[in-house]
Amino acid sequence: KQEVTQIPAALSVPEGENLVLNCSFTDSAIYNLQWFRQDPGKGLTSLLLIQSSQREQTSGRLNASLDKSSGRSTLYIAASQPGDSATYLCAVRPQSGYSTLTFGKGTMLLVSP
Amino acid sequence: NAGVMQNPRHLVRRRGQEARLRCSPMKGHSHVYWYRQLPEEGLKFMVYLQKENIIDESGMPKERFSAEFPKEGPSILRIQQVVRGDSAAYFCASSRGGGASYNEQFFGPGTRLTVL
Repeated sequence: KQEVTQIPAALSVPEGENLVLNCSFTDSAIYNLQWFRQDPGKGLTSLLLIQSSQREQTSGRLNASLDKSSGRSTLYIAASQPGDSATYLCAVRPQSGYSTLTFGKGTMLLVSP
Repeated sequence: NAGVMQNPRHLVRRRGQEARLRCSPMKGHSHVYWYRQLPEEGLKFMVYLQKENIIDESGMPKERFSAEFPKEGPSILRIQQVVRGDSAAYFCASSRGGGASYNEQFFGPGTRLTVL
């Protein structure tokens, strides 16, 4: 059974810092891995999706890497801003079977001005 | 092109009542997934449906919960005789296809169910 763990559970940083969020998964047989952002009381916004054959994806100040063999992914946020404050979720889709996602519990990020 | 729509956004029920949550997928999407987010927990898969078919319900409690996705209209997640432990945010996602192909899931805003 796939398990996804995110570390740290919460992170507080001053504005302008670069930061790294970590995600690990127990079963490396994944089709892809996706990072989401969730604002309080809101739905999920997809940030980056990495296919299993890829090593990283970039979008603006965000960079996500994937090491499938070791079961790890990182989300790097450059020059953090208060508007980045949210919960960041990592999810994996299995390589075979149905395309349902397994989520981690998330990292709650607070960027203070 | 409207995204995934869910209603109601907030739902309050007393113990023992029924809760009906609706999800309208994105245009052109025929696959729907329901996830539940309990307080302080991650999202957990509940059920995966295609039009008129339940494909995978392995994450859905066997009792009191049911789901459907009729030929016409939204997908419905139904919870009978709600209990306080059902209080959670319920998210719906849709995709164009499923299975082994690349089919990204797009999420709705969720329905927050509170059971008094």
